[in-house]
Amino acid sequence: ETGVTQTPRHLVMGMTNKKSLKCEQHLGHNAMYWYKQSAKKPLELMFVYSLEERVENNSVPSRFSPECPNSSHLFLHLHTLQPEDSALYLCASSQEWLGASQETQYFGPGTRLLVL
Amino acid sequence: GQQLNQSPQSMFIQEGEDVSMNCTSSSIFNTWLWYKQDPGEGPVLLIALYKAGELTSNGRLTAQFGITRKDSFLNISASIPSDVGIYFCAGIDAGKSTFGDGTTLTVKP
Repeated sequence: ETGVTQTPRHLVMGMTNKKSLKCEQHLGHNAMYWYKQSAKKPLELMFVYSLEERVENNSVPSRFSPECPNSSHLFLHLHTLQPEDSALYLCASSQEWLGASQETQYFGPGTRLLVL
Repeated sequence: GQQLNQSPQSMFIQEGEDVSMNCTSSSIFNTWLWYKQDPGEGPVLLIALYKAGELTSNGRLTAQFGITRKDSFLNISASIPSDVGIYFCAGIDAGKSTFGDGTTLTVKP
């Protein structure tokens, strides 16, 4: 299997639930990213991991908790979310963190999350 | 923070027509990327540009990295129905990627 995969593809959860989103990349990349995509808004960067260390956290509420156990896997743990958190959550990877030259990002298919 | 202005927001064209969209910014970027996103899917990379003035093609798609490094355009020639989707530009600088709002393309057969 190649590329960036995400599971589940769709998730419906209540505000009191705890769930996790999973991302896996098979590209041998060292950097992984979580983005949130809401309707009529540009992609919002949430977290960046480089070599399993978090290098960026863009003022994301604590009800979103990322985890990067190794360079191929990235999780987003969700707890007590709000309806406005409903969105498409996209994972991406790049060879190195984007500070290097000639970098590109490859995206997974996303998890469509609905919070009731 | 950095912002990208992508235009047009949407386009309705006839099959066979050529399409042009662009992104501009007041900031300089070192890399420009163009993506296409189908409904319910993640963005798929179409073209990557790394040098000011660079012109790159990928089949019917052509993209250019502006000389000032503050803009980029994407052209699609002889559009077909499967070109339908949302096209995003992204600029990368200093470890950060900034995305445009997207151009929604509709192609009428």
